[in-house]
Amino acid sequence: DAKTTQPNSMESNEEEPVHLPCNHSTISGTDYIHWYRQLPSQGPEYVIHGLTSNVNNRMASLAIAEDRKSSTLILHRATLRDAAVYYCILRVLTGFQKLVFGTGTRLLVSP
Amino acid sequence: DTGVSQDPRHKITKRGQNVTFRCDPISEHNRLYWYRQTLGQGPEFLTYFQNEAQLEKSRLLSDRFSAERPKGSFSTLEIQRTEQGDSAMYLCASSLPPRLAGTRDTQYFGPGTRLTVL
Repeated sequence: DAKTTQPNSMESNEEEPVHLPCNHSTISGTDYIHWYRQLPSQGPEYVIHGLTSNVNNRMASLAIAEDRKSSTLILHRATLRDAAVYYCILRVLTGFQKLVFGTGTRLLVSP
Repeated sequence: DTGVSQDPRHKITKRGQNVTFRCDPISEHNRLYWYRQTLGQGPEFLTYFQNEAQLEKSRLLSDRFSAERPKGSFSTLEIQRTEQGDSAMYLCASSLPPRLAGTRDTQYFGPGTRLTVL
């Protein structure tokens, strides 16, 4: 499984943008970049995914570097409810696919 | 859509006892996964079902662990002769059939069962 590297923790103030980086230098051409997050005392939940182009949804934006060796999850205005562990995961969507989680980035949001 | 449910939410047991956890996936999801998560770590894959067939097992799943999904709906995970190292959060997830999942192929997780082995 291709590996990802994320900072252990990041801090933000409420209503400020947050950029969560992920390095995946060994990514292959067929790997999709997925982000999940895990709120306290809950199971992980899907946030966003992409292949080459930047992506937006109601939760976040995903910016993918041109060489695809890194990506950034962008929360445009952090809220206290965004405090969670964010996981960057590479997936090849053929056949059986487990999710391979790293240790993720713990996002702390201050009022 | 009531989401993935797991029961019980918490289980405290003594070393050597057997425990069984239940997972009810989202109704139209034919794929079901079990993961284990220890403190400070991300979830680790344990096993995968497509309908009633168990198609993948991690080497983390020792002989003391067994999982079933007898009718392709709910699943159970049993741990026999529990050890203190089994203390963890056990997470269940489900997803749509591949032909419907698209590139998003989201796995929907339940709230987990927290196991404490004394």
